Amino acid sequence: KAGVTQTPRYLIKTRGQQVTLSCSPISGHRSVSWYQQTPGQGLQFLFEYFSETQRNKGNFPGRFSGRQFSNSRSEMNVSTLELGDSALYLCASSYGQGGSPLHFGNGTRLTVT
Amino acid sequence: GESVGLHLPTLSVQEGDNSIINCAYSNSASDYFIWYKQESGKGPQFIIDIRSNMDKRQGQRVTVLLNKTVKHLSLQIAATQPGDSAVYFCAENTGTASKLTFGTGTRLQVTL
Repeated sequence: KAGVTQTPRYLIKTRGQQVTLSCSPISGHRSVSWYQQTPGQGLQFLFEYFSETQRNKGNFPGRFSGRQFSNSRSEMNVSTLELGDSALYLCASSYGQGGSPLHFGNGTRLTVT
Repeated sequence: GESVGLHLPTLSVQEGDNSIINCAYSNSASDYFIWYKQESGKGPQFIIDIRSNMDKRQGQRVTVLLNKTVKHLSLQIAATQPGDSAVYFCAENTGTASKLTFGTGTRLQVTL
């Protein structure tokens, strides 16, 4: 079974621009979650989508948004990029039930200059 | 590869020895716990999980112990191998399926 696929692997953007990251979950998984990983803050939860609906949200500003499509694929968008948005963005998928472990992709490394 | 923490605690063990990685969690309402392994340049990889109604769970070469009284979780790796070198994270959730709270991580270095 193919794992979680994230594209692109690397992105370099300029402050003020916007960016869209893509995630394809494991086949059969209906939940997709997004996490931000930085050296200073570690792994932090952004949001979760289940059956095309946002089910949970972390403590990030509204510049961070996402969506999920009917095939469970998900995209994350960050608008008006700031230098502090530089991070590894990780997508994880699961069946979406309690006790169902998250399986992560290898992430998209975003650098904002 | 990615730096997952400039000041991560580091555990150095010799190849063949057993490793014990510890984690303290803060939320007494957490009912599900997971250990992840993250190698340089990769995302976290699921190792083993445990629910709060259990004290111990074993996998292949790994054992997770849960002590709810002191809110402590540990990961034991038997016969540690060079391929086990990575950063290990514990994570907890409180029933909301995908919202995990991660620990800061421990770097495991395996020496030959």
